[in-house]
Amino acid sequence: QVQLVQSGSELKKPGASVKVSCKASGYTFTSYAMNWVRQAPGQGLEWMGWINTNTGNPTYAQGFTGRFVFSLDTSVSTAYLQISSLKAEDTAVYYCARGGFHFDPWGQGTLVTVSS
Amino acid sequence: DIQLTQSPSFLSASVGDRVTITCRASQGISSYLAWYQQKPGKAPKLLIYAASTLQSGVPSRFSGSGSGTEFTLTISSLQPEDFATYYCQQLNSYPRTFGPGTKVDIK
Repeated sequence: QVQLVQSGSELKKPGASVKVSCKASGYTFTSYAMNWVRQAPGQGLEWMGWINTNTGNPTYAQGFTGRFVFSLDTSVSTAYLQISSLKAEDTAVYYCARGGFHFDPWGQGTLVTVSS
Repeated sequence: DIQLTQSPSFLSASVGDRVTITCRASQGISSYLAWYQQKPGKAPKLLIYAASTLQSGVPSRFSGSGSGTEFTLTISSLQPEDFATYYCQQLNSYPRTFGPGTKVDIK
């Protein structure tokens, strides 16, 4: 079946970096866009941007430029989200989600906690 | 950017009730709207896309309608497993914004 499996929870110190993976299975990876969505504790969903899995071209939403990088390894059908210079306010669950005109499926989410 | 508002923000209802959630867009988005259900500690789940198309496997008690700037999600007879938070999302333009959510709680 079509599924996205994300890497496990991370605990990082301020200033560190983190790389979250999202492994796709059950479909042709390069046939669908991949999106990233952030959910801060107790808050709603925030679209971070997407990556074209054919070209590798990323598009970032406002507020997610500079420290956030989307990348791919198509040989293993995996998308990555890297966040550098982590801040306490980056503490959130990060989801990958397949699709262009609706998001389905979603990964199970990766909790990134930034704390000294 | 297109802003989405949802009403109500919170809804208290009983099993068997008919529930309607409204999503309004700050500008016209044709039918490029999706609805998601999220339960605590879980990823969002797609319910409806293209404003009114039921995602495969989603119970038929869920339905969506609307176009342009006003949309509704209706649950015809609320079931215990439907208590969750519901989000709308516009996919007409970038950024792909979400509404703030509607929490459906047990009365």
